[in-house]
Amino acid sequence: SQQGEEDPQALSIQEGENATMNCSYKTSINNLQWYRQNSGRGLVHLILIRSNEREKHSGRLRVTLDTSKKSSSLLITASRAADTASYFCATAGRNSGGSNYKLTFGKGTLLTVNP
Amino acid sequence: GAVVSQHPSWVICKSGTSVKIECRSLDFQATTMFWYRQFPKQSLMLMATSNEGSKATYEQGVEKDKFLINHASLTLSTLTVTSAHPEDSSFYICSARDQDFNYGYTFGSGTRLTVV
Repeated sequence: SQQGEEDPQALSIQEGENATMNCSYKTSINNLQWYRQNSGRGLVHLILIRSNEREKHSGRLRVTLDTSKKSSSLLITASRAADTASYFCATAGRNSGGSNYKLTFGKGTLLTVNP
Repeated sequence: GAVVSQHPSWVICKSGTSVKIECRSLDFQATTMFWYRQFPKQSLMLMATSNEGSKATYEQGVEKDKFLINHASLTLSTLTVTSAHPEDSSFYICSARDQDFNYGYTFGSGTRLTVV
């Protein structure tokens, strides 16, 4: 079952604006990751934040994690048309057999950046 | 950086036939590989987790006899969709991680399967 829930499901902004996407999850996690997917393509790892971290930066990306609220946010600053893609959060937890960490993905946010 | 190659990128097959999808880690040893399925405009659903040399662990609701997974080496895992039906048409994505988690989870570029 899907654990992460992103909102909004779709976001349309103008180039130069900031885009904020949120993710909520239900169970305890080891870490939370954000991925990007262009239409019909594989996923690209953007950033990982561990459960004992509260904020992390990478270039124009800023991720926060609030384990008490079981939520995370991804901020993309100064957006570009090339940032248009779907963004997914994923939480890492044990798989069915308990022997491996697996990623559970949220439903994703479709971001459209208009030139 | 770590690269995972997935092949083919797209395939069309007839109902009742079987299709094999390959996932290779090119520059690292993938002790664990994951297979996902994604329907249009939806998220990724984990199908199974495979460790090199052992049987795959399937998620609830995934038919192991329908989706055969083989992880015979540290660089190759295969997913075979047996007796394919139109409802099996989907986007299948693999991901891999090394034992020490040096590269995180690396994803293949996906395979678009269409069963006609």
